[in-house]
Amino acid sequence: DPKIIQKPKYLVAVTGSEKILICEQYLGHNAMYWYRQSAKKPLEFMFSYSYQKLMDNQTASSRFQPQSSKKNHLDLQITALKPDDSATYFCASSQDTNSDYTFGSGTRLLVI
Amino acid sequence: GDSVTQTEGLVTLTEGLPVMLNCTYQTIYSNPFLFWYVQHLNESPRLLLKSFTDNKRTEHQGFHATLHKSSSSFHLQKSSAQLSDSALYYCALSDRYGSSGNKLIFGIGTLLSVKP
Repeated sequence: DPKIIQKPKYLVAVTGSEKILICEQYLGHNAMYWYRQSAKKPLEFMFSYSYQKLMDNQTASSRFQPQSSKKNHLDLQITALKPDDSATYFCASSQDTNSDYTFGSGTRLLVI
Repeated sequence: GDSVTQTEGLVTLTEGLPVMLNCTYQTIYSNPFLFWYVQHLNESPRLLLKSFTDNKRTEHQGFHATLHKSSSSFHLQKSSAQLSDSALYYCALSDRYGSSGNKLIFGIGTLLSVKP
């Protein structure tokens, strides 16, 4: 059984639209993260949360907004989508902010 | 800023030959953590090795690496490549116990292809 669930697995969106990427972890972890993997670029840190509080934000654009409705949820809302937002978005979690990550299986987003 | 540099692109090996993937880093962190992650096709990245102890070899699943702070390196090695080792390998850096927290800074990734 997957310990971190990301939904949807694949997503096609129209330029200018808004989408929400879902992430739920069932590991009992207290820290959660979002990373982006674009073509020909390294995995890029976006956000980190600990106990549902934002710890670090390395995303320049306010179009990316994490949402944590529950301790084990960290969704990612993306507004005004652009083709450059096309990437695989990975959610990850760790027991605390001093522990190893577990990555989810990712959401592949294509913006046309 | 902090960065990780890896052997770029594709490394192709014949099964049974040794593997060496290079990783060097630049950081202001006084006690950096270094990691190797492996990502098989259509899967998520998975932790392979980690270290923060200078000059101490760390091993897992036949792979090993030694953090050398003097040369800012953390090269990944394996004595004999297997077909199942074909994957994308990322070297990564963090300031786990420092002010920058558990954010991972990844290198570009090295695609290892092992042929029969």
